[in-house]
Amino acid sequence: AQTVTQSQPEMSVQEAETVTLSCTYDTSESNYYLFWYKQPPSRQMILVIRQEAYKQQNATENRFSVNFQKAAKSFSLKISDSQLGDTAMYFCAFMTAQGGSEKLVFGKGTKLTVNP
Amino acid sequence: GAGVSQTPSNKVTEKGKYVELRCDPISGHTALYWYRQSLGQGPEFLIYFQGTGAADDSGLPNDRFFAVRPEGSVSTLKIQRTERGDSAVYLCASSLERGSGKAFFGQGTRLTVV
Repeated sequence: AQTVTQSQPEMSVQEAETVTLSCTYDTSESNYYLFWYKQPPSRQMILVIRQEAYKQQNATENRFSVNFQKAAKSFSLKISDSQLGDTAMYFCAFMTAQGGSEKLVFGKGTKLTVNP
Repeated sequence: GAGVSQTPSNKVTEKGKYVELRCDPISGHTALYWYRQSLGQGPEFLIYFQGTGAADDSGLPNDRFFAVRPEGSVSTLKIQRTERGDSAVYLCASSLERGSGKAFFGQGTRLTVV
C-alpha cells in the first residue's frame, strides 16, 4: 500500500519570503501522480500543483514549484513570494497511474502560516 | 452549478441515528469521490463513482456506510446506526478527466455524533 509522509506539522514564513514544504512517499510502482492540495479554513481542498512521475521536469504553477526526486521518493513544494492568502493546510497526495484506481492517498498535512 | 455543493454544511445527530449527506457535483463531471477527514488528519478515500456505478468502494469502513448515485449526478452518502467515531468532515469531489487526479472538492459536511 502507498503511504505519504509529511514530517512538518506546522511552518511559518514572512510575507514575500520563500518557504519549502516537505513530502516523502512510499510505493513500488513506477508510474503515478503526485499532488499538492491546499485547504484553507473554508475546508474546500484546492489543487495547487500536479506532477506526473514519468516526467523529469519539475512542475511549476506561478509562485508554486516542486522539487521531484523520484529515486529518493521525495516531492517538496516551494512557495515563492509568500502571500497572506497562502495561509492554509497543505496536503501532499499520491495517485497510482494503474488503470481503475482513482483514489488519492493523502499525507497528514502541514499547517502553513504567512505572517505580515 | 459553479462548484461542488454539499449539504448540509453541518449535521449533529445522536448515536444510533441514520444520516444522509448529499453531494451535487460540477455539471458534466462523470467521476465523483467521497472522502472522510478526521480531526488533524488528511482526507481518507471512501468510494469512487464513474457515472452511476461504484467503481471502487474499498474505502468504506463497514457495512453501515453506503453511497448511491442513481442518475450519475447527485450522490448521497448514507450512514446507518451512527457511532461517535463517525464524527468527521465528509468531503465530496468530482472530476472531468478520468485518471487525472484533478479533483474539485466541495466544502464538506461536518458530522458530529453525540
